[in-house]
Amino acid sequence: QSVLTQPPSASGTPGQRVTISCSGSSSNIGSNTVNWYQQLPGTAPKLLIYSNNQRPSGVPDRFSGSKSGTSASLAISGLQSEDEADYYCAAWDDSLNGHVVFGGGTKLTVL
Amino acid sequence: QLQLQESGPGLVKPSETLSLTCTVSGGSISSSSYYWGWIRQPPGKGLEWIGSIYYSGSTYYNPSLKSRVTISVDTSKNQFSLKLSSVTAADTAVYYCACHPTTNDWYFDLWGRGTLVTVSS
Repeated sequence: QSVLTQPPSASGTPGQRVTISCSGSSSNIGSNTVNWYQQLPGTAPKLLIYSNNQRPSGVPDRFSGSKSGTSASLAISGLQSEDEADYYCAAWDDSLNGHVVFGGGTKLTVL
Repeated sequence: QLQLQESGPGLVKPSETLSLTCTVSGGSISSSSYYWGWIRQPPGKGLEWIGSIYYSGSTYYNPSLKSRVTISVDTSKNQFSLKLSSVTAADTAVYYCACHPTTNDWYFDLWGRGTLVTVSS
């Protein structure tokens, strides 16, 4: 059971906007920034969003992140077939001397 | 351009020690800008952070694995390593090495391709 809670699945049609939620607690999301990773089938994860809402160079502006309280969200607008992947949220957790925690992942299907 | 590559045995027997090495190319592991870390992913499951190390040797470990994990750095070889002792089938996973900037945000902005380690007799 993951420390951060994500829906196991999400779906949308091409061009649609989808959001993926990530719920945590005061020791992780509530007091630290949230990062998002995209994992295409059979590949290593790739950083998608860092520091709640920052996009690394090369990540399309269709991807955006937000945080409020102990929850965060990843939004994908103008959904494309190549967005079909697993998405993970992550954050630093201040408990137990501190450690990185991940969400369980959300499998996004483009219908 | 910075690149990371994992190497090590793909099969480890139960109760033995898993040992992996990550070779850093295109940059120096002694950079003050990065921490170097390990993350694993059991087949069909999610990601789990194992731990991270700074070039000076300072380490951070996942509390759930801390008693079995040692991460070390060899600056002369531009490598860092993972040792996980007393392995069981539950340690079967793809192991990734990755790096993250020395900020408080702890995001992994570069990953290796990963290596599958199977624990089986």
